Formats: sequence, structure tokens, C-alpha cells
Amino acid sequence: GAGVSQSPSNKVTEKGKDVELRCDPISGHTALYWYRQSLGQGLEFLIYFQGNSAPDKSGLPSDRFSAERTGGSVSTLTIQRTQQEDSAVYLCASSLAETGAPFETQYFGPGTRLLVL
Amino acid sequence: GQNIDQPTEMTATEGAIVQINCTYQTSGFNGLFWYQQHAGEAPTFLSYNVLDGLEEKGRFSSFLSRSKGYSYLLLKELQMKDSASYLCAVRRGYSTLTFGKGTMLLVSP
Repeated sequence: GAGVSQSPSNKVTEKGKDVELRCDPISGHTALYWYRQSLGQGLEFLIYFQGNSAPDKSGLPSDRFSAERTGGSVSTLTIQRTQQEDSAVYLCASSLAETGAPFETQYFGPGTRLLVL
Repeated sequence: GQNIDQPTEMTATEGAIVQINCTYQTSGFNGLFWYQQHAGEAPTFLSYNVLDGLEEKGRFSSFLSRSKGYSYLLLKELQMKDSASYLCAVRRGYSTLTFGKGTMLLVSP
């Protein structure tokens, strides 16, 4: 596709349920990032993939959060036993490469709006 | 850690010029990005600075002073469609971006 796509666009779930969020990066982009944006807060980094490996997962807020990437393309972010404070917009971004190049623009998807009741 | 500060809100008039400031403290600085985010939409890339000085791109310009940990985004000939949140982000090392909380700009007629 032309840009980063994410699904679902909206998700309402009950506290304690597990959710899976999907990201399809731009074709050929090897780097993929997950962010979270809560109301009134800035974009919060969660995890970064280079290919299928995650060299930086320092932003994952707890062990309830996990992510994987397969085939160097699609990524899923899983939140187990969701809590109300997990309610936020989850944004995915991708960039062309991560080889130490000084300039790598991240292109963002439209996000998944998660509401935990 | 990193600390990025930018004003929460700004207002300006259509046709005017507005400057949005961003200050940061970080180690391993490797570039500063500005993104625009309209309500309910994804952030879109505006500009990038890694060396000191001014980068101009149409109506938008961005300035960086690494010694001062300071950047600004300058928007000229403001249009109503420029009403959005403007996000300053600092890149440390080769990968992750740390974002400020964003500056909500309201352009009025």
C-alpha cells in the first residue's frame, strides 16, 4: 500500500480482556516503531523493530505488553489483561532503513483508538 | 533521560507569522524533527535538523542550535488549515524518537 496501515481503527474492550493491534508498514521499510498517545500527553515510544528483531523495547510499560514482527513486515502489539489506563491511541510508524543513516523519516499510520471499559 | 519542552498552546491570525519553540536536554543527540498532527489524524513529517542553522521548506522553516538545546518552527503566511498540533521530537542514537507533548496552534480569521 501507499502508506502505513493499522487495524482495527477503533477497539472497545472490557477490562481484563486481551487485545491485538496490527500494523502494516510501508513496503520495503525495515524499521518499525510502536508509540502510544494518551489524551494531553505526547507520543510515548513503546518498541522498535529492525527486521524481525527488537533492539529497543525499553518503552513497553509492563509485561502485559508484547509485540512481534514476522517476515520483516507486519507487526502485532498485544496487550494482555487490559486496564483502563491502557486506553489511548496506539500509533505505528515505519522508516526505510536503520543503518546509521543520519536522516530516516518515520511515517505514521492512522492509529488504533483503544478504549478499555 | 530526555526532557523536551514546548508551549502547550499558541494562537495566531491568518496571514501572520508564528514561531513555535522547543528546548531539549539529551545525550547522544542525532537530529531534531518537527511533525504536524491534525486532530484525529496521524503525525506527518515537516522538517529535520541535525546541524545548526535554518532549514527552509516553503512556508515552513526550522532552526536548530545544538549548543543551546533549542529549536524553533517558523510558519509564515498562516492559513486556517495550519491549525494543528506541532510536535517536536529528538532522535538519540540511531533509532528512537522522543516526542514533546506538542503545541496546539489555533489560527483564527
